[in-house]
Amino acid sequence: AQTVTQSQPEMSVQEAETVTLSCTYDTSESDYYLFWYKQPPSRQMILVIRQEAYKQQNATENRFSVNFQKAAKSFSLKISDSQLGDAAMYFCAYSTGANSKLTFGKGITLSVRP
Amino acid sequence: GAGVSQSPSNKVTEKGKDVELRCDPISGHTALYWYRQSLGQGLEFLIYFQGNSAPDKSGLPSDRFSAERTGGSVSTLTIQRTQQEDSAVYLCASRGAGGFPYNEQFFGPGTRLTVL
Repeated sequence: AQTVTQSQPEMSVQEAETVTLSCTYDTSESDYYLFWYKQPPSRQMILVIRQEAYKQQNATENRFSVNFQKAAKSFSLKISDSQLGDAAMYFCAYSTGANSKLTFGKGITLSVRP
Repeated sequence: GAGVSQSPSNKVTEKGKDVELRCDPISGHTALYWYRQSLGQGLEFLIYFQGNSAPDKSGLPSDRFSAERTGGSVSTLTIQRTQQEDSAVYLCASRGAGGFPYNEQFFGPGTRLTVL
């Protein structure tokens, strides 16, 4: 069975600084997808960034980028120039197969200090 | 266009009562998922519908939980004889057909269920 581990329950970053959120996963599959979702207090899960396992190039979306290390099964999220609106819970997630159901980590609460 | 909607937003019920939670997916999305978010278990998959295929019910925690999807669109998650451990946020997500980039799931705002 696939597992996703987020070992840090909380992190804090100063506004305008950079923060990295860690995620590791375990799978025997070779073809899969990895995601980072943001969940603000409104509960709405918002996709931040996604990565296909077959792509060696790390995904980037504006201030968000990932460091995907397939051999190490690591998928960290870097947030640059942190903004107050980045404060939320962040979930790392994995999916594979035809049903593409998501397996989530426990999440990390990110706070941004003004 | 409209996103995934869920109703009610919040539901408070008494232990032993039945509840129904509704999900309206994005129009045209063939895949629909239910997830549960609770303090103890985190986010966990419950059930998956894809078109007219038999649903994947592998995540349902007990036979008190059931779900249906009518006409390939709206889905209802039913919890019978609710227990306090059923208290959680129930999230619905939908996905378009095909492979990547359509593997993205779009989530609704969830229903917070409180069982007293």
